[in-house]
Amino acid sequence: GAVVSQHPSWVICKSGTSVKIECRSLDFQATTMFWYRQFPKQSLMLMATSNEGSKATYEQGVEKDKFLINHASLTLSTLTVTSAHPEDSSFYICSARLPHTYEQYFGPGTRLTVT
Amino acid sequence: GENVEQHPSTLSVQEGDSAVIKCTYSDSASNYFPWYKQELGKRPQLIIDIRSNVGEKKDQRIAVTLNKTAKHFSLHITETQPEDSAVYFCAASRGAGNMLTFGGGTRLMVKP
Repeated sequence: GAVVSQHPSWVICKSGTSVKIECRSLDFQATTMFWYRQFPKQSLMLMATSNEGSKATYEQGVEKDKFLINHASLTLSTLTVTSAHPEDSSFYICSARLPHTYEQYFGPGTRLTVT
Repeated sequence: GENVEQHPSTLSVQEGDSAVIKCTYSDSASNYFPWYKQELGKRPQLIIDIRSNVGEKKDQRIAVTLNKTAKHFSLHITETQPEDSAVYFCAASRGAGNMLTFGGGTRLMVKP
């Protein structure tokens, strides 16, 4: 149980284009999902908290208009990187909280490369 | 906000030895402390967690201890094996629905 998937696992896009990443909880419903960014050999940096049916809460320094988050259902949250630039290249990972617990389970991550 | 410090950043042990990783946190309201293991290019996996109402929790070769007064918690791995080699992250949270604040990670290398 507690499986989280992400799609795509990797994507290469050109500068100026937008990329959408999906995060799904496969065997449970998640009212809260989280989006992280991870640079090579570094820790996970929280970008935003995604709550089903309401606006996402962004961490300080994260541009809301650049990283659009939509949590449209209890099993799906999406992160759209708009007008991508090479500095947006990174490993993006989502997590979902298992209901009635404190536990968070992570997706496999999406490696974004902007050329 | 919460700040989590993790030490050491790298740890090399011989197979069969024990490994200990320590974390300190700053927010006295934090009450949930998970540990994740991340292998290269893969997702972080929850390996053990502890809530603030207990001081120690054990699961086979891994254990976590918590000292609320001193605001630190530790991961203990006994009888290490090469497959334990990975990056380990500690985290702290105020509980359900709240964000996790991660430590900087510890790269554990178990030499056969």
